Amino acid sequence: NAGVTQTPKFQVLKTGQSMTLQCAQDMNHNSMYWYRQDPGMGLRLIYYSASEGTTDKGEVPNGYNVSRLNKREFSLRLESAAPSQTSVYFCASGLLATTGELFFGEGSRLTVL
Amino acid sequence: GQQLNQSPQSMFIQEGEDVSMNCTSSSIFNTWLWYKQDPGEGPVLLIALYKAGELTSNGRLTAQFGITRKDSFLNISASIPSDVGIYFCAGQLNSNYQLIWGAGTKLIIKP
Repeated sequence: NAGVTQTPKFQVLKTGQSMTLQCAQDMNHNSMYWYRQDPGMGLRLIYYSASEGTTDKGEVPNGYNVSRLNKREFSLRLESAAPSQTSVYFCASGLLATTGELFFGEGSRLTVL
Repeated sequence: GQQLNQSPQSMFIQEGEDVSMNCTSSSIFNTWLWYKQDPGEGPVLLIALYKAGELTSNGRLTAQFGITRKDSFLNISASIPSDVGIYFCAGQLNSNYQLIWGAGTKLIIKP
């Protein structure tokens, strides 16, 4: 079973470039999330989608946009990358947004020069 | 924003030892969860707690939801090499769906 699949796994960008991180889950989950993880810190929520058709800002949404394309797919877009966005990005999904029980992808490591 | 204080930050232990870590907050949570992250991978859920005072086990792991709803602990008994990794606590507030995460406890087994 694939679970949660993220692409790409690694990406290097120059400041000002744009890119989209893709995420797909095959578990028929309702909620999907994008987190970033920086050294020495816990995960910080960027955006989430509690159900298909809805998206909401998390703790650190500035500089990002998301699209819940369908129930399976949730993409994260950086319109104009900045060095402060260098991080490891994780997509996660959960059956219900109310439980906190999440399944994570393997992560996408992004470096912005 | 909301914060969870997770301690210790890291632990050096001998194989076979018991391990204890905890998380505290000034906020009341309705859910506490414990995740483990191995290098190069995403976190994996270990235990979820939904009721104040609840004590739940998963193999050698035991976690408790504090009676005040502001803290939780995780115990690992008889540690083995595959226990190494980073353990995260996460809490879910009543008010929304977002999880608040601790900074992690890094478990290292002494050779």
